[in-house]
Amino acid sequence: AQSVTQLGSHVSVSEGALVLLRCNYSSSVPPYLFWYVQYPNQGLQLLLKYTSAATLVKGINGFEAEFKKSETSFHLTKPSAHMSDAAEYFCAVSAKNNNAGNMLTFGGGTRLMVKP
Amino acid sequence: DADVTQTPRNRITKTGKRIMLECSQTKGHDRMYWYRQDPGLGLRLIYYSFDVKDINKGEISDGYSVSRQAQAKFSLSLESAIPNQTALYFCATSDRRLAGVQETQYFGPGTRLLVL
Repeated sequence: AQSVTQLGSHVSVSEGALVLLRCNYSSSVPPYLFWYVQYPNQGLQLLLKYTSAATLVKGINGFEAEFKKSETSFHLTKPSAHMSDAAEYFCAVSAKNNNAGNMLTFGGGTRLMVKP
Repeated sequence: DADVTQTPRNRITKTGKRIMLECSQTKGHDRMYWYRQDPGLGLRLIYYSFDVKDINKGEISDGYSVSRQAQAKFSLSLESAIPNQTALYFCATSDRRLAGVQETQYFGPGTRLLVL
């Protein structure tokens, strides 16, 4: 069984400030971890994913996330927020079970608001 | 043109009515998924299909049925809609040939359903 917890359903930052969106997971097997972004009235778009190649993963639009096994965390960060980053962000986990395919379990989502 | 399309984008229906949501993809992927999104709950898997002859229940399949008419088409039906099924519904696809490390799910723009 696997689960994802995103701390903070809403996060507000000022433009230019650090963005930190928290994600903790539980998984009985080594996981794959994902961050997806959903802009208003759009579907989900992959931001980045961890597949065990490197613990620090760089994604699109200047975002990155660090896998910390000891903390079972995969927090998403961006050094300087931009107005265009305002969206909802979802953390997801899947088990490394190729026979079952990439079955994703999502967190509840965090809505990021960026103030001018 | 969008690779994963969903129709309709918005739908209002009444309790007890049967409705169908449709998903089409031009990505050539064999795997397709239906999710629903509710505020604070993230996305939850309703059904998934790994090929035309393979249909599987997800986490919350009660009250729903699906049909995989072709590799590119995957429909979701609500046999007798109830207000509790008011949600945002997403279709997604992935490629079995990239199972595991490279497999990523690609999402459609969503269908917003309101059951009165």
